[in-house]
Amino acid sequence: NAGVTQTPKFRVLKTGQSMTLLCAQDMNHEYMYWYRQDPGMGLRLIHYSVGEGTTAKGEVPDGYNVSRLKKQNFLLGLESAAPSQTSVYFCASDQGGDNSPLHFGNGTRLTVT
Amino acid sequence: AQRVTQPEKLLSVFKGAPVELKCNYSYSGSPELFWYVQYSRQRLQLLLRHISRESIKGFTADLNKGETSFHLKKPFAQEEDSAMYYCAPEGQGFSFIFGKGTRLLVKP
Repeated sequence: NAGVTQTPKFRVLKTGQSMTLLCAQDMNHEYMYWYRQDPGMGLRLIHYSVGEGTTAKGEVPDGYNVSRLKKQNFLLGLESAAPSQTSVYFCASDQGGDNSPLHFGNGTRLTVT
Repeated sequence: AQRVTQPEKLLSVFKGAPVELKCNYSYSGSPELFWYVQYSRQRLQLLLRHISRESIKGFTADLNKGETSFHLKKPFAQEEDSAMYYCAPEGQGFSFIFGKGTRLLVKP
C-alpha cells in the first residue's frame, strides 16, 4: 500500500506562474484535505473534499483551487503564484466517520520567487 | 471560535527526563482529540488518539474536560522522540484544526 502520494516533492515557481499539485490515495478514503505548513503557523487547512465531485473551503483558501474528479485524486491548483504561497503543502485523507485519523503524504516544498 | 493552543514552540529536555507537551483547546461540544508527530524528513503521522486510551512509544495523553486540555506526556524521554508534535482536535464538520506545534528536542 502506497498510502497517500504527493507529486512533485519540490518545485520552484516564478511569481505569476501556475501549477498543480497532485495527491493520490489508494485506501478508498472518502475525505481528502490540503494543508499548508508554515513556521510558527502550524498546519492550516486550505481546501477539503468529502467525496468525489465535492470540494469545500478551509481556513486559507484564497489563491488556490481544487478538484476531486476521481475519488482517489485531489488536485491543488495555483493559478497565479505569489511569494506568500511559499510553503510546504501536505495532502491528507481519512475514511470519514468518528475517530478516523488522517493519513498524510510526504509533502511538497514550493518556493515562489 | 474553535481554537487550539500549544503554548511552547520549543521544548528541550535531557534524555531520561519527563516530558509534557501542552495542548489546550477551545471548542463547543466534545471533540475527539489526536496527537500527530512529524519526525525529521518523515511524513506527519498519527501518534495517538484519546478515544483509544492507548500508550504509543511510551506517550500517553490525558483529557481534562474541566481545563479543556489534552497534554501529551512521557515519563522518560528518548533521543528518538525529538520531533514536531501537533495537537489536533477534530473540528466541526469534517476538518481537523491543528495547533501550531511544539518542537521537542531531547538532548543526550
